[in-house]
This record gives sequence, structure tokens and C-alpha cells, in this order.
Amino acid sequence: SQQGEEDPQALSIQEGENATMNCSYKTSINNLQWYRQNSGRGLVHLILIRSNEREKHSGRLRVTLDTSKKSSSLLITASRAADTASYFCAPRGYSTLTFGKGTMLLVSP
Amino acid sequence: DGGITQSPKYLFRKEGQNVTLSCEQNLNHDAMYWYRQDPGQGLRLIYYSQIVNDFQKGDIAEGYSVSREKKESFPLTVTSAQKNPTAFYLCASSIQPNGVDQPQHFGDGTRLSIL
Repeated sequence: SQQGEEDPQALSIQEGENATMNCSYKTSINNLQWYRQNSGRGLVHLILIRSNEREKHSGRLRVTLDTSKKSSSLLITASRAADTASYFCAPRGYSTLTFGKGTMLLVSP
Repeated sequence: DGGITQSPKYLFRKEGQNVTLSCEQNLNHDAMYWYRQDPGQGLRLIYYSQIVNDFQKGDIAEGYSVSREKKESFPLTVTSAQKNPTAFYLCASSIQPNGVDQPQHFGDGTRLSIL
């Protein structure tokens, strides 16, 4: 299965700290996508990293991909209370996206 | 503004009743998807459609049906055969059916509960 598995399941930090979430998957991928979900809302696409890329930045987000280890990480720097949400990784092979159970991030003021 | 509209936001179903969840997009996307999300769980794919008048089963299609008569619309019917329908249902779309690099855009979901 391409399904990603996020770690940790939950993360609680203070505003201003960095948050790191990890994702592992099992099969070859074309790209890996990260999404955010606020409580009771739909998912919002954050960033996409292709299999031939090792690192990608978008604002306060930094994503790394290690295809040899079949893993990815999402780093949110200088976190804010508004970053409180669930974060999902979605490995993409040549079929549809599959989503893990997510990491629930709580950022306290 | 372009986007995906799901309605209703909350829906209640009686035992033995079929209900239909609406999903409309004005993004001119070819592909559309239905997911189910249970508490503390990830998203599971129910059905997807890459083009009008065509759709494929996802991982948990039993007890559900869909149609794709228009590019903009992809309604999901939860039939009485679905024994545990209480969940949060999300609709999504993407720009190209085989555009592997394209992200999915999501609606804000419909929460279905059994009375």
C-alpha cells in the first residue's frame, strides 16, 4: 500500500517553537503531498515534493524526502496558534492518493 | 471565487433510507473524488471519476453509489446497504485525471449521522 503513516500521532508545542512531523510509506512513489485539516473542515494542500527532489520550501514550511528510506518530514518553523490542525501526508504513485491518519498539532499561545 | 461546494453541511438519515450528498465544483477540474473520514482516522476513498460518465470504485465502495453526468457535479448516494454510514464525507477534485503532480482541492465536507 502507498498509504503514508504519520508520526507522532499528536504533538503539542508553544508558539514560536518548531514542529516536525514525519511520514513513512512502503512503495515507490511519483510524489508526496502534505495537507492540513482544520477541525471540521476539508483538507488544504500545503506542498508537493517530487520523487527526484530532496527538499522543498514554502514560506515557513520545509519538506524533505528520502526515497531510499521511504520517508518524508514536514517542518513548520516559528509556529503560530493558527497552525493548530491535523496534518496528513499522501504518497502518490500512479493511482490515487492515499492518506494516513495524520498528526494532530496543537500550538499553544 | 472558484471552489468546491458540498451540501448539506449536516445530514441525518433514518434506518433503511437512502441519502444523497451533493458536490459541485467550478474549477473546471476533470477528476473528482469522494472520501470518508471516521474520527481519528485518515481518509478512505469511496469512488472517483476521471471523466464525465465514467467512475471507478475506491477502497470502500460497498453501500455507496455515484453518478457523473456533468463535469461540475459528482453526487454520492449512501444507500441503506451501508450499515455504518455515520462519518464525515469529503469531496475533492483535481485538474487532470492522470496529472500525477496535481494536488487535490477539497470541499468542507458533509457530516452524516444516523437517527
